[in-house]
Amino acid sequence: EDQVTQSPEALRLQEGESSSLNCSYTVSGLRGLFWYRQDPGKGPEFLFTLYSAGEEKEKERLKATLTKKESFLHITAPKPEDSATYLCAVQVMNRDDKIIFGKGTRLHILP
Amino acid sequence: NAGVTQTPKFRILKIGQSMTLQCTQDMNHNYMYWYRQDPGMGLKLIYYSVGAGITDKGEVPNGYNVSRSTTEDFPLRLELAAPSQTSVYFCASSYSGRAYYGYTFGSGTRLTVV
Repeated sequence: EDQVTQSPEALRLQEGESSSLNCSYTVSGLRGLFWYRQDPGKGPEFLFTLYSAGEEKEKERLKATLTKKESFLHITAPKPEDSATYLCAVQVMNRDDKIIFGKGTRLHILP
Repeated sequence: NAGVTQTPKFRILKIGQSMTLQCTQDMNHNYMYWYRQDPGMGLKLIYYSVGAGITDKGEVPNGYNVSRSTTEDFPLRLELAAPSQTSVYFCASSYSGRAYYGYTFGSGTRLTVV
């Protein structure tokens, strides 16, 4: 069965304390892996798409990496405004190209 | 550029009532989607559309209906509301089904069925 698992469920960091969020996946065939940011009361906002193992994407303090079984979202020297829920999703390579979302990691950056 | 607009933002329904959640996009995207998000759960696909006049069921379609008469609009209809339909509903759109640039989401409708 296709699955996406994110860990940890929640993470509290001090401002400036770097860390990583994990997204592990089990799918029959990966077409792409996506990271989204979701602020309270708002819809998810697209961050990155990764397609193949070894690929990396960066945006400000965020860097996403991909292996054959998992993806990491590295947050370097985070600021309080980075506090949000980060969602991982994978698109499965089949006729329907369905997208499966993980449950997310709630990130809280303390000033 | 408004993106994806959802109305209403909040709604309380009584069991057995019906309502329509509105979704409009102004990006000329062919693909549109309805998701529900329950606390502690991932987004679940309710229905999707690959273009005007074409709709298909997602993972959790029971109790819902959709139509797509124009490229811009993709309303979600709830018939005979039940407490299990209490959730936050998100509409999304994309240029391609392969979602290379991700989906654009609306800001959501928070629905409570009492």
